[in-house]
Amino acid sequence: DIQLTQSPSTLSASVGDRVTITCRTSQSVNNWLAWYQQKPGKAPKLLIYKASTLERGVPSRFSGSGSGTEFTLTISSLQPDDFATYYCQQFNNYSQCSFGQGTKLDI
Amino acid sequence: EVHLVQSGAEVKKPGATVKISCEVSGYTFTDYFVHWVRQAPGRGLEWVGLLDPEDGKTKYAEKFQGRVTMTADTSTHSAFMELSSLRSEDTAVYYCAGSWDSTEGFDYWGQGTLVTVSS
Repeated sequence: DIQLTQSPSTLSASVGDRVTITCRTSQSVNNWLAWYQQKPGKAPKLLIYKASTLERGVPSRFSGSGSGTEFTLTISSLQPDDFATYYCQQFNNYSQCSFGQGTKLDI
Repeated sequence: EVHLVQSGAEVKKPGATVKISCEVSGYTFTDYFVHWVRQAPGRGLEWVGLLDPEDGKTKYAEKFQGRVTMTADTSTHSAFMELSSLRSEDTAVYYCAGSWDSTEGFDYWGQGTLVTVSS
């Protein structure tokens, strides 16, 4: 199984800050890496797929980059609505999927 | 508008079986894979497996092999996940999610179904 390790596990920031979350995979996932945002009591929401493609309707302050085994999610200017938990996820050509452990972003 | 509506919360005893449904509307049911993901209280997301509603093919995470069964009923645009031999560690919110291309993430999600396993 491919392991995904996110860092940091928690991140404290303020409105207007630029923040970056990193996801490292135990083996190459090409660019089949997605990012989700989850708020308490709600289902996850897809933000980015194929490492850097923004999902329709997601604000442009969100961006993703990386390939191989190291990926980043960047929020360019934090808004109050962005405080949530973020997960990376991979799905490979063996039809196996795994998630990172999550990064909680709080004020 | 796309909706994935899941069945209601369940309370089961250890050793029992639970079956959760996920009714899809707003897209052609057979065009999207259905994934099941669970989240234990205060924990992260865990992939359970996927179902292709078009042909009924499935792929399960190794951890759940032998205990999980995923099926679809195309007449009602519904997917089902059955988990047997329940134990307390299976207490979690279970989500269904629709994906056009699984390598491009899970586009649409159900609201979640809480399954509590307790004696």
